[in-house]
Amino acid sequence: AQTVTQSQPEMSVQEAETVTLSCTYDTSENNYYLFWYKQPPSRQMILVIRQEAYKQQNATENRFSVNFQKAAKSFSLKISDSQLGDTAMYFCAFMLLDSNYQLIWGAGTKLIIKP
Amino acid sequence: DTEVTQTPKHLVMGMTNKKSLKCEQHMGHRAMYWYKQKAKKPPELMFVYSYEKLSINESVPSRFSPECPNSSLLNLHLHALQPEDSALYLCASSQVVVRGTSFLGGPGELFFGEGSRLTVL
Repeated sequence: AQTVTQSQPEMSVQEAETVTLSCTYDTSENNYYLFWYKQPPSRQMILVIRQEAYKQQNATENRFSVNFQKAAKSFSLKISDSQLGDTAMYFCAFMLLDSNYQLIWGAGTKLIIKP
Repeated sequence: DTEVTQTPKHLVMGMTNKKSLKCEQHMGHRAMYWYKQKAKKPPELMFVYSYEKLSINESVPSRFSPECPNSSLLNLHLHALQPEDSALYLCASSQVVVRGTSFLGGPGELFFGEGSRLTVL
């Protein structure tokens, strides 16, 4: 069975700082996807970034980047130049390639950006 | 249009009431989901519809009854709920993954609605 662990229940940083959220996962499979989803307070959940396990290159989306270490089963999210609007719950999630519908979610990290 | 619209945003109901939650998307997605989310917890999958057919039921109690009338609509009928069913109910949609094809969004990208906050008294 697959599991996803986020060891930081809550983090806070000053605006404009860089912050890294950690995520580890456990699987015996080789073909899967990893995701970071963001859920701002009272707003809808959106996808931040996606990584295909077969790609060695780390995914980036503007200020968001991941450090994907497949052998270590680690998938951390780095947010550069953090903004107040980055305040949200961040969930790491895992999906097997042939499992169309079932995301395995981490417990989430509450990130607070302070002005 | 990348929106998933859920109504109502808030719902308060007694344990003997019958109510429904509604979800609509117009992105051409053929997979639609119901999730339940408690405060500060990740979403818990309840149901998945693929091509308007129920493909996953995560052992959800029968007091929750899903319905997918067409490819754009998803309903969740509620009857005889318990106070512990109070939660945020999220609808989501996605492309159905077909190996070897590429499409907007990619595997695993769920588009969520804002949710319906349900309180059961």
